[in-house]
Amino acid sequence: DQQVKQNSPSLSVQEGRISILNCDYTNSMFDYFLWYKKYPAEGPTFLISISSIKDKNEDGRFTVFLNKSAKHLSLHIVPSQPGDSAVYFCAASRGRGNTPLVFGKGTRLSVIA
Amino acid sequence: GAVVSQHPSWVICKSGTSVKIECRSLDFQATTMFWYRQFPKQSLMLMATSNEGSKATYEQGVEKDKFLINHASLTLSTLTVTSAHPEDSSFYICSARHDSGYGYTFGSGTRLTVV
Repeated sequence: DQQVKQNSPSLSVQEGRISILNCDYTNSMFDYFLWYKKYPAEGPTFLISISSIKDKNEDGRFTVFLNKSAKHLSLHIVPSQPGDSAVYFCAASRGRGNTPLVFGKGTRLSVIA
Repeated sequence: GAVVSQHPSWVICKSGTSVKIECRSLDFQATTMFWYRQFPKQSLMLMATSNEGSKATYEQGVEKDKFLINHASLTLSTLTVTSAHPEDSSFYICSARHDSGYGYTFGSGTRLTVV
């Protein structure tokens, strides 16, 4: 049972435009959400996170929006750059204890120059 | 801060042999380490949770006798793939929680190829 879902396996965006990556979750116990960027044969690189008490968090070109009622979050990248091309994973966790992250399947973003 | 060093970054081994992967927390103490596996174009799937000084907790479907986890100190956790077979070829990544913010730190991963 996939608790974290990224339904778009790939996304192509023109350089300079906005990239919107979506993520849905089913477990209402999740209270912390993270986005990671990953290249092949490398570990994930943390991008941005959001606590369930917030609905938006912004860091430079990256903004994450959380809609708890819809169990949906999205990552906005603006403006998109060719260097943003990678696989983006959405992840969720429960509580502040030592609980593992649960990952979605990822979305491959291609930013076209 | 909060760096996890994972070695080796890649390894090729013969079928039937064992391979050990190490993860070290360099500047913090990791009481818990998580081990993930990623098959091509798939998600990172949790294999097991490694707790310092106690037995690891394995996810359903993960053979504990095949994937031996040892977490003997607060800075080192190891995953040994025993009697490796080609179907064990995958990308293995470790991760640890740290107290900096609400952070999870990942190792750089190990690409295992069994021939």
